[in-house]
Amino acid sequence: DVKVTQSSRYLVKRTGEKVFLECVQDMDHENMFWYRQDPGLGLRLIYFSYDVKMKEKGDIPEGYSVSREKKERFSLILESASTNQTSMYLCASSFSGQGVPEQFFGPGTRLTVL
Amino acid sequence: AQSVAQPEDQVNVAEGNPLTVKCTYSVSGNPYLFWYVQYPNRGLQFLLKYITGDNLVKGSYGFEAEFNKSQTSFHLKKPSALVSDSALYFCAVRAYNNNDMRFGAGTRLTVKP
Repeated sequence: DVKVTQSSRYLVKRTGEKVFLECVQDMDHENMFWYRQDPGLGLRLIYFSYDVKMKEKGDIPEGYSVSREKKERFSLILESASTNQTSMYLCASSFSGQGVPEQFFGPGTRLTVL
Repeated sequence: AQSVAQPEDQVNVAEGNPLTVKCTYSVSGNPYLFWYVQYPNRGLQFLLKYITGDNLVKGSYGFEAEFNKSQTSFHLKKPSALVSDSALYFCAVRAYNNNDMRFGAGTRLTVKP
C-alpha cells in the first residue's frame, strides 16, 4: 500500500514564525502536491512538483514556498506565518506512468497560527 | 482552468435508502473525474474514477458514479446507505493534458439509523 506521511498531525505556531511541514511518500511517486483544506472551500492547491528540484505554483501560492531535494520528500514552508494560514494542510502524491493515476493523501497537519 | 461544483453542502439519508451526492464539472477537452471520501481527522481516500468508456463506474465500498457528458455531471451513488458511510465527500476533475486536480468544496453525508 502507498503510504504518505506528514511530520505532524497538529501544530501550533506564533505569527511571524517560520514553519516547515514535511511530507514523505514511500512509493517512488514522481508527483507530489500540497493542498490546504478550509470549510466550505474544499481543497485548494498551493504548490506541486513533478520531479526533484522542480516546483509549480498552484492556485494559492502566496505566503508559501516548497522544497523538493529528494524524490520521496516534499516540504511546505511558511516563511512568516500569519493567522490566515491557520488551516488543515494535506500532502498527496501520484505516479506519472500510463493511465490516469489517482492521488494518495497523507493524514493532514492541522496548523494553528496564534 | 478546470473546476468542480458540489451544489449541496449537506446530504441526509436514512440507512438502507439510496444516496446520491451531486457533482458538476467544467474542463476543456475530455475530463478525468474522481471521488474521494474523508473520515474525521483523516486524509482523503480514493473511491473511484472515470477516464473513458462505460459511463457507470464502480468503486470501493459499494459506491458507483455516473458520468453524463451532456450535463457535465458525475454524481456519486449507492443503492443502500450505511451509517458508516457518513463522511465528507469530494469530487475532483483533472484535464487530460495536465496532472493537477481541482476539488469541489465537499458534501457532508449523514446517514441516520
